[in-house]
Amino acid sequence: EAGVVQSPRYKIIEKKQPVAFWCNPISGHNTLYWYRQNLGQGPELLIRYENEEAVDDSQLPKDRFSAERLKGVDSTLKIQPAELGDSAVYLCASRLGGTGELFFGEGSRLTVL
Amino acid sequence: AQSVTQLDSHVSVSEGTPVLLRCNYSSSYSPSLFWYVQHPNKGLQLLLKYTSAATLVKGINGFEAEFKKSETSFHLTKPSAHMSDAAEYFCVVSDQGYSTLTFGKGTMLLVSP
Repeated sequence: EAGVVQSPRYKIIEKKQPVAFWCNPISGHNTLYWYRQNLGQGPELLIRYENEEAVDDSQLPKDRFSAERLKGVDSTLKIQPAELGDSAVYLCASRLGGTGELFFGEGSRLTVL
Repeated sequence: AQSVTQLDSHVSVSEGTPVLLRCNYSSSYSPSLFWYVQHPNKGLQLLLKYTSAATLVKGINGFEAEFKKSETSFHLTKPSAHMSDAAEYFCVVSDQGYSTLTFGKGTMLLVSP
């Protein structure tokens, strides 16, 4: 069975440019998370979806970040415009309802110049 | 509210010697606790989890952790380190419903020959 798939793996952009990340969770996993991981730090939650509903987006900087999970499967995280401080690894994870284990993708490393 | 503190940012051991990675947690309810491992440029992988059953939890690759409520600790141990154990390890605290997971800042384990 395929794991959580993220793309692109690496992205380099100049500040003020837009960027988008895509995540395909494990089939049947209704909970999807986007985390941001800064260098030398643990992952920090940006947004959590239950099916297509964003149930926790309290840490998402809504002035420049947006996310969607149409049809409760794939998800896209967008940053517009990107700032230097957005350089980080963006991790997507999914979980099957009722279980505690999160399955992570390999992440999308963003560098903003 | 919940939080987790990993007491060491880096731990160095020699191959074949024991490993101890320390984690203290704070939670206003009965928590679930996890350890995840992250190899370079890879996604996080679950090592083990505690969910209010046995206090000594065995995980993959010979790792285990003991939940000590009186000390609010969940330290990760392994009797004999292997070179392939070199990675970053994250302690995670969650509510019982797994809706809010909080990651520690991570401990980098270095294994020398």
